[in-house]
Amino acid sequence: RKEVEQDPGPFNVPEGATVAFNCTYSNSASQSFFWYRQDCRKEPKLLMSVYSSGNEDGRFTAQLNRASQYISLLIRDSKLSDSATYLCVVTPSSGGSYIPTFGRGTSLIVHP
Amino acid sequence: EPEVTQTPSHQVTQMGQEVILRCVPISNHLYFYWYRQILGQKVEFLVSFYNNEISEKSEIFDDQFSVERPDGSNFTLKIRSTKLEDSAMYFCASSGDRVGEQYFGPGTRLTVT
Repeated sequence: RKEVEQDPGPFNVPEGATVAFNCTYSNSASQSFFWYRQDCRKEPKLLMSVYSSGNEDGRFTAQLNRASQYISLLIRDSKLSDSATYLCVVTPSSGGSYIPTFGRGTSLIVHP
Repeated sequence: EPEVTQTPSHQVTQMGQEVILRCVPISNHLYFYWYRQILGQKVEFLVSFYNNEISEKSEIFDDQFSVERPDGSNFTLKIRSTKLEDSAMYFCASSGDRVGEQYFGPGTRLTVT
């Protein structure tokens, strides 16, 4: 069973659209959650941490649902520059391990 | 803005050779990491390093791999006796107290022929 699972997409949306991605994780002891973005052949860049109460950063909103073991990312008013792969990252808490597990990513293409 | 740097950007080596990938983490960060990403696949954790020793490593990080912090700024990944399947992008990352908030370098593309 995959530890962190994401819909690979691609999600193809027009500028200005709202788009949402989900990510499910299998380890119920997971403690910390993050969204990164990765442009083609570039390094991952931290987009935002995901807090239990949900959090917002400009056009981006992240939510955590521990009961159902998923996190989500909502992007409002999509820009062309939002085109990238969005990586879900989960770190456990059991036994003091902090090994982060990356999902394979969801590809977003924003077109004019 | 401080950033993680990596050299070289691209390394081509023959199977069986040893390579050393270099990284300079952000200066006030405490935790350092190596990841690899095979083309088209997900980012995979290799090893984390804290207080001058390995804190965690994955199953991928076997005896073929080693890490070192030879001085106060550099952090290196050595791959001995490279294999074709070691071809990948290798990313270095560093973090402060919040270990999940990591800053990645631009990567070294390793091609083993």
